[in-house]
Amino acid sequence: NAGVTQTPKFQVLKTGQSMTLQCAQDMNHNSMYWYRQDPGMGLRLIYYSASEGTTDKGEVPNGYNVSRLNKREFSLRLESAAPSQTSVYFCASRMGGSGANVLTFGAGSRLTVL
Amino acid sequence: QQPVQSPQAVILREGEDAVINCSSSKALYSVHWYRQKHGEAPVFLMILLKGGEQKGHEKISASFNEKKQQSSLYLTASQLSYSGTYFCGTEGQAGTALIFGKGTTLSVSS
Repeated sequence: NAGVTQTPKFQVLKTGQSMTLQCAQDMNHNSMYWYRQDPGMGLRLIYYSASEGTTDKGEVPNGYNVSRLNKREFSLRLESAAPSQTSVYFCASRMGGSGANVLTFGAGSRLTVL
Repeated sequence: QQPVQSPQAVILREGEDAVINCSSSKALYSVHWYRQKHGEAPVFLMILLKGGEQKGHEKISASFNEKKQQSSLYLTASQLSYSGTYFCGTEGQAGTALIFGKGTTLSVSS
């Protein structure tokens, strides 16, 4: 099993350009998440999808949009990239609901906005 | 709201023990602990649920005080492989998202 797959792994953008980060999981998980990681800030939640067909804002949603395309895929879009969005982005998934559900992370996507 | 982790950094010699704390201002359903090595994704260590259920690796121990909304991760007889950044993630209600703290960096030397 591949687990959580993110593409691309690296991307350099110019200010104002748009791009989409792709995420797919093959564990039949219901819930999917996008986090960004910046030095000294920990992992901050951007958006999440508790189940197929639903999305909710997290701690830092401004400048981002998401799409839960189906149960497997959850994409993150930057419509007009800004230097402040330079970060490492992690997609994660878990079964969701109640119980001891382990969060599984993808390998990360390193984005640089010039 | 982000949980607060302490200390921010710990330096140990092999064989020494450490405790990492995580505190929230809100009532919690669960606390999760993850470790991240430089340049890698976070890896699961432990989940502690309200009510006492726990799930995690055998060599990892942790506690969860539901009344105080606090959790502690206990690292005993540390090894070089324990080095990394430890994150706690808190879940206010079942099925909601995990909110992570800023992390605690652990360095173990020989």
